[in-house]
Amino acid sequence: DAGVIQSPRHEVTEMGQEVTLRCKPISGHDYLFWYRQTMMRGLELLIYFNNNVPIDDSGMPEDRFSAKMPNASFSTLKIQPSEPRDSAVYFCASSLIGRPNYGYTFGSGTRLTVV
Amino acid sequence: QQQVKQSPQSLIVQKGGISIINCAYENTAFDYFPWYQQFPGKGPALLIAIRPDVSEKKEGRFTISFNKSAKQFSLHIMDSQPGDSATYFCAAIGTGSYQLTFGKGTKLSVIP
Repeated sequence: DAGVIQSPRHEVTEMGQEVTLRCKPISGHDYLFWYRQTMMRGLELLIYFNNNVPIDDSGMPEDRFSAKMPNASFSTLKIQPSEPRDSAVYFCASSLIGRPNYGYTFGSGTRLTVV
Repeated sequence: QQQVKQSPQSLIVQKGGISIINCAYENTAFDYFPWYQQFPGKGPALLIAIRPDVSEKKEGRFTISFNKSAKQFSLHIMDSQPGDSATYFCAAIGTGSYQLTFGKGTKLSVIP
């Protein structure tokens, strides 16, 4: 298995532009998580899905952030409009059952820079 | 509110030495405590984990010590190697929860 695949690996965009981050979870995993990593705040859970349905989006910082999971093999995290403070590494993770002892696997992340 | 406090922020250890990273938690509902290892440009990867009914768990050179009454747990890396140089995160998750709470991380450098 190729693991959790995220694209792009790096994204540089100008303030005000729309940014879309993509994630392909491990086949068969029914939970998908989006995290943000910054030096100041560490790793924060933004939102997670179970069987393609958003379960908890309380970590989404603002209405500028939205996430979708149209099918079991694809999810997107969108920021519109983007701001410099959104610069961070965004990780997607997937899991069977949703617990770390059930194959909770992170992708390699997307490093977002908003200038 | 930071529910899992991790220290130190950075650590430099000589090759062959012991690396020790400490974490403390507040939420008594946490029932699973994993440690993650992250190399530059990669996502965190599960290293070792422990449940609160066990005081110690060892896997190779990596050992978790758990003190339930003090609400503290630590990672010990014996015979540290340069290949262990990475950022280590402690984490916690509660019963019925799907949200991992992470510590801020410790950047470990093992020098030859």
